[in-house]
Amino acid sequence: GAGVSQSPSNKVTEKGKDVELRCDPISGHTALYWYRQSLGQGLEFLIYFQGNSAPDKSGLPSDRFSAERTGESVSTLTIQRTQQEDSAVYLCASSLGTGNEQYFGPGTRLTVT
Amino acid sequence: QKEVEQDPGPLSVPEGAIVSLNCTYSNSAFQYFMWYRQYSRKGPELLMYTYSSGNKEDGRFTAQVDKSSKYISLFIRDSQPSDSATYLCAMRSSSGTYKYIFGTGTRLKVLA
Repeated sequence: GAGVSQSPSNKVTEKGKDVELRCDPISGHTALYWYRQSLGQGLEFLIYFQGNSAPDKSGLPSDRFSAERTGESVSTLTIQRTQQEDSAVYLCASSLGTGNEQYFGPGTRLTVT
Repeated sequence: QKEVEQDPGPLSVPEGAIVSLNCTYSNSAFQYFMWYRQYSRKGPELLMYTYSSGNKEDGRFTAQVDKSSKYISLFIRDSQPSDSATYLCAMRSSSGTYKYIFGTGTRLKVLA
């Protein structure tokens, strides 16, 4: 079956612009996670959803970052007023339920110039 | 000190060797453990998912958890050049948040 998909695969934006990153989880997966991976770094947790609710947003770096999920399906991560330090690969993962094994998408590579 | 520590490598081994990859952790509440393989410019791919202590085997891969030492391992038998990738460990506790903590990854090179 189809895996987790993310779009766009690459995004180059100018400092100060807003960006939206999209994640389509595996059908039927109720939990969805966002991570950030910087060069040479591990995966940094950002937020996770159970259904359309976000019980843990503790990893969002600042109030410029927000995420939502609708229809217990697609999720959007929005970064407002992007900064150069936001440049990273943003990864989405989904799981059948919270705490189950996670399956990752290919990521969105964000470059802020 | 990070909650999860992983040697970044690179670890270079000849084809056919047995590879041992390891993570240590500080939180004794961690109960669920995962190993991922990540090729360059790709998303992580789940290899193993284990609960609590003990061993789990899947093909050429064996995951081992030693909770008393706060130490987990992934063994790869008969390593192949296609196993060359970065290996990430991840873990979480059985209570509270369902957030997984990831190691920074170990880069493995299997030489033909």
